[in-house]
Amino acid sequence: AQTVTQSQPEMSVQEAETVTLSCTYDTSESDYYLFWYKQPPSRQMILVIRQEAYKQQNATENRFSVNFQKAAKSFSLKISDSQLGDAAMYFCAYRSAYSGYALNFGKGTSLLVTP
Amino acid sequence: GAGVSQSPSNKVTEKGKDVELRCDPISGHTALYWYRQRLGQGLEFLIYFQGNSAPDKSGLPSDRFSAERTGESVSTLTIQRTQQEDSAVYLCASSFTGTSRSTDTQYFGPGTRLTVL
Repeated sequence: AQTVTQSQPEMSVQEAETVTLSCTYDTSESDYYLFWYKQPPSRQMILVIRQEAYKQQNATENRFSVNFQKAAKSFSLKISDSQLGDAAMYFCAYRSAYSGYALNFGKGTSLLVTP
Repeated sequence: GAGVSQSPSNKVTEKGKDVELRCDPISGHTALYWYRQRLGQGLEFLIYFQGNSAPDKSGLPSDRFSAERTGESVSTLTIQRTQQEDSAVYLCASSFTGTSRSTDTQYFGPGTRLTVL
């Protein structure tokens, strides 16, 4: 089974600054999908960004971008110009492209944004 | 509806009682997923429904857990003889097709927080 590791239980960033959240994963597959989800106190999981493993180019969504290093099995999330509304739990998730439909989640990183 | 809805939002029950959790997926989504989130943990997959196919129950932790879905609509997750370790947030998600090769986004509901006393 694939495992997803988020080594930072908590991170803090000042408003308008940049922060990077780390994620590594373990897989023997060559094709898969990676996701970052945000979970605010409302509990609603919100998709932040998605990366397909066969694509070399790093995904970007406005202030959110990823650094996808396939050989290193690393998938970090960079949040630029941090805003107070970015404060939440962030989960990295893996999904196989061959079998199964479920997302395998890491344990999450709690992001605190200070004024 | 506009999004995935779940009810109840919170449920407190006594050990040994049965509970039913409900999920209304986004209209038109054929795939539906249940996940469990224990305190301080990521989400664990429980069960997956795709259209009229047999569900994938591989994530259910014990035979006390079961789920049903009528067609492509509402799903209910039932936990029988609840135990304290069942306390968690139960999240439901739906997606358009849910096939392995699809890049469909899973849209999540707000979850049901279950507390077993």
